Amino acid sequence: EVQLVQSGAEVKKPGESLKISCKGSGYNFTRYWIAWVRQMSGKGLEWMGIIYPGDSDTRYSPSFQGHVTISADKSITTAYLQWSGLKASDTAIYYCARHTDGSADFWGQGTLVTVSS
Amino acid sequence: EIVMTQSPVTLSVSPGERATLSCRASQSVSSNLAWYQQKPDQAPRLLIYGASTRATGIPARFSGSGSGTEFTLTISSLQSEDFAVYYCQQYNNWYTFGQGTKLEIK
Repeated sequence: EVQLVQSGAEVKKPGESLKISCKGSGYNFTRYWIAWVRQMSGKGLEWMGIIYPGDSDTRYSPSFQGHVTISADKSITTAYLQWSGLKASDTAIYYCARHTDGSADFWGQGTLVTVSS
Repeated sequence: EIVMTQSPVTLSVSPGERATLSCRASQSVSSNLAWYQQKPDQAPRLLIYGASTRATGIPARFSGSGSGTEFTLTISSLQSEDFAVYYCQQYNNWYTFGQGTKLEIK
């Protein structure tokens, strides 16, 4: 069974760093792209970027380039999304999702990130 | 960036009736179009990819059509569990979502 299990909710202060995770299981982790998707409260879905764990090829949406870093450790079948300086506007639910030919066929349960002073 | 526009924003339909949701792309995306369903406090679920192919386990009452810039998701006979928000997403040139259509009970 394919599963993506994300790390738990986080509460951070502006300016702090954060790294959230997404562990894949039940499939060959190195053979599928993993995407990160943001959903702000009551809003729609925004594609942030994707990574191919097999070779760590990473691509970012222009809207998120430079503000987040996506990485993966294929030895532990885990992808990451990290910030070096959080802002209040980063408060959102973040989903990871497995890509198959462009569409996202399996999703993590989401990680709520709250940034507040 | 390809902009995806969904209509209507909210659709009120009675159980058992048909629902038709629309998605328009600002430029051609060929058939590189997916539909997702999202229920409150849940992750999105893939319904349709390639504009018209149902994902694994998706009931036959869900169907997708269209190509180029105009797409439709049809739910033939609404069940109570179908009331949710639906998103289209293009993957022809990067990835962009529509703003969503909320399907509510009439």
